[in-house]
This record gives sequence, structure tokens and C-alpha cells, in this order.
Amino acid sequence: KAGVTQTPRYLIKTRGQQVTLSCSPISGHRSVSWYQQTPGQGLQFLFEYFSETQRNKGNFPGRFSGRQFSNSRSEMNVSTLELGDSALYLCASSLFGSQETQYFGPGTRLLVL
Amino acid sequence: GENVEQHPSTLSVQEGDSAVIKCTYSDSASNYFPWYKQELGKGPQLIIDIRSNVGEKKDQRIAVTLNKTAKHFSLHITETQPEDSAVYFCAASIGRDDKIIFGKGTRLHILP
Repeated sequence: KAGVTQTPRYLIKTRGQQVTLSCSPISGHRSVSWYQQTPGQGLQFLFEYFSETQRNKGNFPGRFSGRQFSNSRSEMNVSTLELGDSALYLCASSLFGSQETQYFGPGTRLLVL
Repeated sequence: GENVEQHPSTLSVQEGDSAVIKCTYSDSASNYFPWYKQELGKGPQLIIDIRSNVGEKKDQRIAVTLNKTAKHFSLHITETQPEDSAVYFCAASIGRDDKIIFGKGTRLHILP
């Protein structure tokens, strides 16, 4: 089975721009969770989608949003980028939900200048 | 809020020796405790997990122990090898939410 794939792998943006990241889960997995990883804060939960519905949300501002499509692929959008948004964005898929076994993708490294 | 503390932040062990990483959690309702290994340039990889109805779980050189009373759990790696060098994260489920909280990670160096 193919693993979780994320595109693009690297991205450079400037402050004020917006960005969309994509995640394709493992075939058959219906849950996709997004995490932000930084050296200072570690791995922080952004949100989880299950069957096209946001099932859970972390403590991030409304500039961070996401969606899930009928094929379980998910996108994450960050609007009005700030320097502090520079991070590795990881998505993880699981069969049923974020408390179940999660498999992570390689991440998208975002640099905001 | 709920949190997971992980120690040490850095650990160096001689190849062939054992490594132990410890985590404590605050939510008494936590019932799922996964461990992840992250190598440079890659996403975290699940290496072992344990549920609260089990005290210990072993998979070849890796074992995890859970003490629910003390609210701590540990990862044990025996006969360490160079490929064990990585950052290891513990995590715990939050009882009331369907979420996982991660520890800050332990950078493990295996010395030749």
C-alpha cells in the first residue's frame, strides 16, 4: 500500500500571502489530521477531518482552515501568512480517527519570508 | 490544559547499550499511548503503541511500559544500533476529545 503523500514538499512564501497544502491518505483511510511542527512548540494538532467533516480542531487562529474531499484527500489553507507560520506541516491518516493508529506523511516545509 | 512531559530531551548511548525515554501525562482519562520515531527529513513513524488496559508491550528490541497510577509510560530500546539514532516522540490521547497530544521529543544519539 502506498503511504501518505503530501504536496508540495517545500514552499517559500512571503508575509501576507496565502498557501494551500495537499495530503493524500493511505487508501481506505477516512481520517486525516493536520499538525504543525516547529522546534519551539513541537508537534501541535491543527484539525482532523473525517468523511468530509471537520471532527476536531486545535487552538490555531481562523487563518488556518482545511477541507476534505469525497476521496478522503485533504487540503489545508493558511491565509495572510505570518513569519511565525514557518514550520513543517504534517498530515496523518488513520482508518477511523486521530486516537487510532496514525500514519504520517513526509510533511511540507513552509518558509515564510 | 492537558499536557505530556517527555525526558530527557537529548540522550546519547553507546551502541549495544539500552536507551530509556520517559513520559508523564496529566489526563487520567488517557487510554492510548503511541510512540513515534522521526528521522531527518521524514515524518514521524509509529513504532509501538499501548492501550491503558495493558501494562507492557514488546516488539523485538522495543518495549513500552505503562503505569496508570503514576500516569507515566516509558520506551525501552535494547541492543541499540546506529539506525536507532532519531528523534522519538511519545503521545497520549485526551480523554474527552478525540485528539493526541505529543511530548516535545527526545533526540537519541547512538555512539559508535
